[in-house]
Formats: sequence, structure tokens, C-alpha cells
Amino acid sequence: DTGVSQDPRHKITKRGQNVTFRCDPISEHNRLYWYRQTLGQGPEFLTYFQNEAQLEKSRLLSDRFSAERPKGSFSTLEIQRTEQGDSAMYLCASSPSVSLGNTIYFGEGSWLTVV
Amino acid sequence: EDQVTQSPEALRLQEGESSSLNCSYTVSGLRGLFWYRQDPGKGPEFLFTLYSAGEEKEKERLKATLTKKESFLHITAPKPEDSATYLCAVQAPGGGNKLTFGTGTQLKVEL
Repeated sequence: DTGVSQDPRHKITKRGQNVTFRCDPISEHNRLYWYRQTLGQGPEFLTYFQNEAQLEKSRLLSDRFSAERPKGSFSTLEIQRTEQGDSAMYLCASSPSVSLGNTIYFGEGSWLTVV
Repeated sequence: EDQVTQSPEALRLQEGESSSLNCSYTVSGLRGLFWYRQDPGKGPEFLFTLYSAGEEKEKERLKATLTKKESFLHITAPKPEDSATYLCAVQAPGGGNKLTFGTGTQLKVEL
């Protein structure tokens, strides 16, 4: 499978716990994105990386959220001290280059339920 | 701020009954308009990218068109397997090519 891979697919956690999601982009894609989607809504942009550099973060990304992409390969999204409002699907996506209008390919998402 | 509005929110069709989904957008300098299909519990699956007004693209029973203010996704003779949520997104200059999505149209095709 050469698509965007996300792990775990589902996570149930208690409020206040920390969770980490991993994303493996399509090979040789240098841009990697994180989005969040809640039921009945479209995906909302959280942050993106070009290679290992995190170049933009949305205002949706509170201080409890941190993302990394060491060595410009896989990425992790960590949520500290989870709250019930963090329950959502976290989508990772990648695109092949910086050129105009390149297609962004999404993974299957990681569902987070905070109880 | 970029905005995308999709209508209708939900659409129920009989198999073979053609229809169109609408995506209206406001963006400062459109780089691309994207259509994705999303099945329940899964990530969005890429369908089309349109770059300029007048452009059209087709894939099987789907045809996407673009004007300066909106895009249409035409579904010809749909089948039950076309049932899904269809998402529209715009890409603007800056911000690493990030996409701004609408809330989607939930399509149900019945036998």
C-alpha cells in the first residue's frame, strides 16, 4: 500500500491523558498536513510541514497540541491533557511538491474519543 | 477569509436519476478547486482538481465544472455505490497549498 498511513485508527482515552498519532506520508512527498474533522463538518486545517520544517499552524492548534516531523519523513501529532472537545477524526495528508495546485492525498484518519 | 458553501446538505436520488451538487466559494486568488469523496469513517478520496473558469473534468459518472464563483459536480445515472459525502475545497496562495473545505453534500442513491 503506497498511500498515506495513519496509526492508530481508533483511540479511546480518558480526559486528561496524552495521546499521540503517527502519520507516514506517501514516499517522497515533501509536504505533510494535519487536519481535524468532526461529524457533519469538513476537515479543518491544523498545521503543515515542508520536509522537517513546520511552516504554519492554525489558531485551532492550542498549546496542548504539538506536531513534529523529524528527518522530514513520518510525523506525529501529540495532544496533551485531552479534553472532550478534542474528540474528532485527525486526518493526515501529503502532497508531492511545492508547485502550484498540487493534489493533496489523505490518509484514512485516526479517530479520537475522549471520555 | 476563504469560504466554501456546499448545497444541498443532503440529497437522496433514485438509481439512474441524474443531479448536480453545488459548491460556492469566496477566495483571494484561486489556485485550485478540489472535489473529494468521503465514505463513512474513512478519509477523503481525491476526485478532481479544477484550476480555471470553464474547465471541466470527468470520471465515470461524475463531471466537475468550474466558474468564477462556483463549481458543480454532476452525477449522471448514479448507482448505489456512488452514495457518499462529496466534499469541495479551495486552495489559495500561501499557506503551503492548504485546503479550505465546505461541509459536504451527503448523497444517498437508492435502488
